[in-house]
Amino acid sequence: QSALTQPASVSGSPGQSITISCTGTSSDVGRYNYVSWYQQHPGKAPKLMIYDVSNRPSGVSNRFSGSKSGNTASLTISGLQAEDEADYYCSSYTGSSFVVFGGGTKLTVL
Amino acid sequence: QVQLVQSGAEVKKPGASVKVSCKASGYTFTSYAMHWVRQAPGQRLQWMGWINVGSGNTKYSQKFQGRVTITRDTPASTVYMELSSLRSEDTAVYYCARAGAGAAGNDYWGQGTLVTVSS
Repeated sequence: QSALTQPASVSGSPGQSITISCTGTSSDVGRYNYVSWYQQHPGKAPKLMIYDVSNRPSGVSNRFSGSKSGNTASLTISGLQAEDEADYYCSSYTGSSFVVFGGGTKLTVL
Repeated sequence: QVQLVQSGAEVKKPGASVKVSCKASGYTFTSYAMHWVRQAPGQRLQWMGWINVGSGNTKYSQKFQGRVTITRDTPASTVYMELSSLRSEDTAVYYCARAGAGAAGNDYWGQGTLVTVSS
């Protein structure tokens, strides 16, 4: 199972919006509405930000939103803040009870 | 509150096995599946497999099939991940993560266990 494709890095200034893409195939992202997004700060465990494409867990800021079109899912962060600087990973259910992660995207807040 | 507490760091020689534990508390242990994910230094997250804690059924990534075994001890509310035939490329932080959000979202994570494989 190949990793989902994410840009290696994205950047934005405080207050701006950024979008991170996550491209899979018709066997994973395109077939199932089971895409999750995780935020990971250095040396810390990942934190769930979005599940099932567009749902936010309790306690996650509404500045974070998720969507999907075809084989590509997206995470949008609006009103960028310094504390949003982190690595972001997408994951998808792939059928037959398998899961695959993306390669990760480093977000830099300028 | 939900907590996943993992066992401490390990140093192993190539060819050996390692068994990492993940003790759960704060929720009904058998109601949620548990995943294992690893992260080599500076690398991406890598899914290893998961266990249906209620039934004991497991599913493993093809990358680790044959080398990884995930088990649970229900009375102890603990899930275990054992990886055998260790090689240097297995040096990584290993995480357990509860499957508690939607169909495949991991809402709670352990603190991670560093496994170092070195001769």
